Amino acid sequence: LAKTTQPISMDSYEGQEVNITCSHNNIATNDYITWYQQFPSQGPRFIIQGYKTKVTNEVASLFIPADRKSSTLSLPRVSLSDTAVYYCLVGDYNNAGNMLTFGGGTRLMVKP
Amino acid sequence: DVKVTQSSRYLVKRTGEKVFLECVQDMDHENMFWYRQDPGLGLRLIYFSYDVKMKEKGDIPEGYSVSREKKERFSLILESASTNQTSMYLCASSPVEGEGNQPQHFGDGTRLSIL
Repeated sequence: LAKTTQPISMDSYEGQEVNITCSHNNIATNDYITWYQQFPSQGPRFIIQGYKTKVTNEVASLFIPADRKSSTLSLPRVSLSDTAVYYCLVGDYNNAGNMLTFGGGTRLMVKP
Repeated sequence: DVKVTQSSRYLVKRTGEKVFLECVQDMDHENMFWYRQDPGLGLRLIYFSYDVKMKEKGDIPEGYSVSREKKERFSLILESASTNQTSMYLCASSPVEGEGNQPQHFGDGTRLSIL
């Protein structure tokens, strides 16, 4: 069961790059790493997913080292609207017996 | 656009009542999930289902049961509600096709209070 560990909170300023790291020492071979964003009174929203190396989309980048025991979500030039809780998720949904694990989440506060 | 709809945004029930939380998705997804979210604890998986009439326990299934009679609907049941089940409940769905974890699409949650 791949548990995850993230910082509880982070502060940043508008325009800065934010990097949030997630540790998952027991990640299994078939597990993928997925990040979600959650605003108050809403359900989480998918941001990005990766298996190894680097993945980039229009919202963020995800860096995964060769040993895959951690991953880093990178948000370029954050704005006030990026203030949210970010969750790291490790698992293999397509394996019906496998457990899904959310980390405790990182509360990002972006200041003007 | 995927829509996951939870039947109530807010619900107040009494200790000992049987409580039903309903979730419907409109994208023909195979997988459906129920989580609860509590301050400081993040999201915790209660149950998930990968097909009609199939269910698997998550991390915290005690005190809950689920029902999936139709592909689009996944119900969470509190057999005898207790105050420690006061929480935000989130439903999600995802498809199976393709590689990796297909993104889960979440509803906006039901805030349940047990008095």
